[in-house]
Amino acid sequence: EDQVTQSPEALRLQEGESSSLNCSYTVSGLRGLFWYRQDPGKGPEFLFTLYSAGEEKEKERLKATLTKKESFLHITAPKPEDSATYLCAVSRSNTGKLIFGQGTTLQVKP
Amino acid sequence: DGGITQSPKYLFRKEGQNVTLSCEQNLNHDAMYWYRQDPGQGLRLIYYSQIVNDFQKGDIAEGYSVSREKKESFPLTVTSAQKNPTAFYLCASSLRSQGAYEQYFGPGTRLTVT
Repeated sequence: EDQVTQSPEALRLQEGESSSLNCSYTVSGLRGLFWYRQDPGKGPEFLFTLYSAGEEKEKERLKATLTKKESFLHITAPKPEDSATYLCAVSRSNTGKLIFGQGTTLQVKP
Repeated sequence: DGGITQSPKYLFRKEGQNVTLSCEQNLNHDAMYWYRQDPGQGLRLIYYSQIVNDFQKGDIAEGYSVSREKKESFPLTVTSAQKNPTAFYLCASSLRSQGAYEQYFGPGTRLTVT
């Protein structure tokens, strides 16, 4: 069965304390892996798409990486404004449908 | 500005009433989607549409209905048959449905049924 698991469920960091969020997946025919940021009460905001193992993408303090079984979202020197829930999703082959993980809620304290 | 709009932001209904949630996009995307989000759960796909006048059931379609008469619009009706309708509803669109196109989300509608 296709599945996406994110860990940890919640993460508390001090400002400037770097860390990583994990997204493990089992899906047949992966076409792409997506990272989103969601603030409370709002719709998810697209961050990255990764297509193949070994690929990396960066945006400000965030860097996403992909292997054959998991993806990491590395947060370098986070700031309080990085506090949000980060969602991972995978695209199955030929359908475009996304399977979402449950998300990691990140809190960055000043 | 291009984007996805959902209205209203908050919606309150009595049990037994049908309610329709609006979703409009001006991104010229072919595909549109409806998700439901409950606390502690990931997004779950309700319905999706790859093209005008065509749509398919997602993972939790029971108690919901949709239409796609225009490319820009994909309204969702929550019927009285939906047993637990209170949730946060998100509409999304992507350039195409097949392949790995990122989906862009609207701001959401929070529906409360009492």
